[in-house]
Amino acid sequence: EVQLVESGGGLVQPGGSLRLSCAASGFLFATYEINWIRQAPGKGLEGVSYISSHGANIHYADSVKGRFTISRDNAKNSVYLQMNSLRAEDTGVYYCARGGKWVGSYQYFGMDVWGQGTTVTVSS
Amino acid sequence: DIVMTQSPLSLPVTPGEPASISCRSSQSLLHSDGYNYLDWYLQKPGQSPQLLIYLTSNRASGVPDRFSGSGSGTDFTLKISRVEAEDVGVYYCMQPLQSPPLTFGQGTRLEIK
Repeated sequence: EVQLVESGGGLVQPGGSLRLSCAASGFLFATYEINWIRQAPGKGLEGVSYISSHGANIHYADSVKGRFTISRDNAKNSVYLQMNSLRAEDTGVYYCARGGKWVGSYQYFGMDVWGQGTTVTVSS
Repeated sequence: DIVMTQSPLSLPVTPGEPASISCRSSQSLLHSDGYNYLDWYLQKPGQSPQLLIYLTSNRASGVPDRFSGSGSGTDFTLKISRVEAEDVGVYYCMQPLQSPPLTFGQGTRLEIK
C-alpha cells in the first residue's frame, strides 16, 4: 500500500524544538518530491517546506525560514522537518504529501498521497 | 509570491444540483511545458486533504467524472455536475509552480442545503 505516515508531533513550549518525521512505503521514494503542509486550527492549508527527490533543492515559506530545516534520507524512505524556535502560530496539524517525480524527466500528477497528519501544539 | 483567490468561500448546494468554484492566481500558472500548474483538493471533515484534479483538468485516480476542472493562465474553475452528500467539505485550489512552496486558496466550504 502506498502511504506516508507522519510522527513526532506533540506539546512544546514557545522557543522549543520538535522533529517531525514522514515515513514512506509502497513506492519508489527516492524519485519523489515531498512537501510539508500545515493547517492551523480552523484555518486553511499552508505550504511549509519542500524538498526535491535527492535533496538538492529545498524551499521554505517565509514564515518558517531560518527556524525550520527539511531533510531526507532516501535509504530510510523518510523526510524530516526540524522545527526550532517554535512559536504559538506554528500550532497546527502538519501533513507530508508526495509531489512530482523525476524519472528521466519531471512528471507531475498532483500531490496524490498525503499522510494522516501529526499535531503540533506550541503553548506554555 | 503567488496569491490564490477563491470564490465563493461558502457554497450551499441542493443535492443533484451543479456547483462551481472559481480560483484566480496573481500570476500566470502556465509553465513552459505547456501545462497550467493548478490543482484542486478536497478536505472532507476530519480527514486529510485528497487530490481531485491536477494540472487544471486531469482527474485523479478514483475521482468521479462529475468533477471537472478548466481554465488557463490565471483563471480556473472546478465544476461538480451533480452534487452528492459525500461531496461536502472544503475545496482548495493550489499552485505548485513557484516558490515559496505551494500556495493555496482560502478554501470553499461546500455544504448540502
